[in-house]
Amino acid sequence: DADVTQTPRNRITKTGKRIMLECSQTKGHDRMYWYRQDPGLGLRLIYYSFDVKDINKGEISDGYSVSRQAQAKFSLSLESAIPNQTALYFCATSSGQGTETQYFGPGTRLLVL
Amino acid sequence: AQSVTQLGSHVSVSEGALVLLRCNYSSSVPPYLFWYVQYPNQGLQLLLKYTSAATLVKGINGFEAEFKKSETSFHLTKPSAHMRDAAEYFCAVSDSSAGGTSYGKLTFGQGTILTVHP
Repeated sequence: DADVTQTPRNRITKTGKRIMLECSQTKGHDRMYWYRQDPGLGLRLIYYSFDVKDINKGEISDGYSVSRQAQAKFSLSLESAIPNQTALYFCATSSGQGTETQYFGPGTRLLVL
Repeated sequence: AQSVTQLGSHVSVSEGALVLLRCNYSSSVPPYLFWYVQYPNQGLQLLLKYTSAATLVKGINGFEAEFKKSETSFHLTKPSAHMRDAAEYFCAVSDSSAGGTSYGKLTFGQGTILTVHP
């Protein structure tokens, strides 16, 4: 089984709808991250969490919110989706020790109409 | 603030040819540097990383990268390309550094799509 899973893998929604993307990990890591990927822009950090009580904004947090329900679960919400939030979203985890390798989920492809 | 620039959004090589993907970074502290690969419809997978030990870093699938502080570069190479190497490659720099405060945040470059021709 995959160490980092994301659901759903694909989602189509309409402008103004609320949507939640979920991430679960079995690596036992404390740190979790949400990124979005856009063609030609690489990956950009939306939010990151060091533990259940510690959540921080990344470089592009406007229009997004997150919830860290447990060490293993980190959800990303779009309260009112807009078309320019159409992107590929990745969750990642790291141990927070040593050399900070991040482990990525398979991604969620989101289309906002 | 840290930044990463990948020169060339698309690189095309023939099977068996040398692969060279360029990455330059900017960092206020000695950096940790990473190369990730993304195969179609998959997440990112770590290829290799530099963490202030040996400047020539060997990774998976025959890739290696050399850290050159004087040139602020961390270029990725492979002597002989294979069809299975076709993917998008990302260079990233961490806000971690040896002995420094670590937040574990990565800043990614724009990505380079590698195409391998038969």
